[in-house]
Amino acid sequence: DVKVTQSSRYLVKRTGEKVFLECVQDMDHENMFWYRQDPGLGLRLIYFSYDVKMKEKGDIPEGYSVSREKKERFSLILESASTNQTSMYLCASSLFQGPGYTFGSGTRLTVV
Amino acid sequence: GQNIDQPTEMTATEGAIVQINCTYQTSGFNGLFWYQQHAGEAPTFLSYNVLDGLEEKGRFSSFLSRSKGYSYLLLKELQMKDSASYLCAVREAAGNMLTFGGGTRLMVKP
Repeated sequence: DVKVTQSSRYLVKRTGEKVFLECVQDMDHENMFWYRQDPGLGLRLIYFSYDVKMKEKGDIPEGYSVSREKKERFSLILESASTNQTSMYLCASSLFQGPGYTFGSGTRLTVV
Repeated sequence: GQNIDQPTEMTATEGAIVQINCTYQTSGFNGLFWYQQHAGEAPTFLSYNVLDGLEEKGRFSSFLSRSKGYSYLLLKELQMKDSASYLCAVREAAGNMLTFGGGTRLMVKP
């Protein structure tokens, strides 16, 4: 069964901390994505990657960075966490021009 | 940029049929997707349309009209477990990035 695994289901961090959210897929997918999901705003794309060491900004990249050193792993980094980054973070992967995404189970991050 | 609209909430009765509409305005188009998301869980893929017409998958069907920028998801013989949010998403012509609508929260009542 194909899988996208996010390292934490729930996370609580303090304002100003550097936060790492990890995502690993076992499907040999080229594409990987990070979204955040907030009530009333839907899913918004933060960053995506079409290949190893490649990254592109999505719609809301401010305050975030990403790393893709290996094909199966895509990390989202909050350089200095702020309370407005409290959200559900969803990682997804897909084949290039594939029929759709496979999502991870999400990380609910609370910044206090 | 892309603009994707769908109703915020809908209510329907167990055993009935419900249609969830999605309209979109895009500079490019390479497919429309529907996902189901239960509360607190990740979205799961339901259907994909790239050509005009109806795609049927058991109790779920999805329709696309590219000229009208319109799609709908049809759910038949509703069950209580169908209570969830339904997300419409459009893929741009280039690459595989999806842009999502805000989602429609469907409540199925007995």
